[in-house]
Amino acid sequence: EVQLLESGGGLVQSGGSLRLSCAASGFTFSNFAMSWVRQAPGKGLEWVSALSAVTDSTYYIESVKGRFTISRDNSKNTLYLQMNNLRAEDTALYYCVKEYSYAYSRPDYWGQGTLVTVSS
Amino acid sequence: IQMTQSPSTLSASVGDRVTITCRASQNIDSELAWYQQKPGKVPKVLIYKASSLESGVPSRFSGSASGTEFTLTISSLQPDDSATYYCQQYNSYPQAFGQGTKLEIK
Repeated sequence: EVQLLESGGGLVQSGGSLRLSCAASGFTFSNFAMSWVRQAPGKGLEWVSALSAVTDSTYYIESVKGRFTISRDNSKNTLYLQMNNLRAEDTALYYCVKEYSYAYSRPDYWGQGTLVTVSS
Repeated sequence: IQMTQSPSTLSASVGDRVTITCRASQNIDSELAWYQQKPGKVPKVLIYKASSLESGVPSRFSGSASGTEFTLTISSLQPDDSATYYCQQYNSYPQAFGQGTKLEIK
């Protein structure tokens, strides 16, 4: 059974940093692309970042480029999102998402999310 | 790639046929998924590749494509279908979601 367990969320001041983790199990983690999707309170879904398998290519939405870094540790089956210089508009529930293939593929499993709150 | 979803809200009665539309700003080769999200819950995949029904999803849900326009149809609305629905393109990065459609049961 595929499981994705996010952690690392919390309350941080504007300009601060957080590192989110996503512990994966139930599949061969190194073979699949992984993403982060966020949802601000009462708002819609927003894709944030992805990391492909095999090539480890990274992708970001414009608003987080230069501030967020996605990475993975295949030996620990864990995906990370390092978030620096946080802004109030980064406040959201952050979901870890597994994709169906090594890159450019549909999401097929979602974690329960970890809440990030940035106070101004 | 921008995804434009409409309508933003929709109110319909049990048994109605309901359609939600999503338009991509460029060709996405039908690499589009539809999700259902209920308050406080994780989004649930309904449809992928524009028209493929995810395992376990009721057959009253269907998807179709015509060029860059995509449609989610609920053939006979049920009370449990009250939720917010999103489309998502996964043809290229950055992937993108539509703005969402909140479906209410009259």
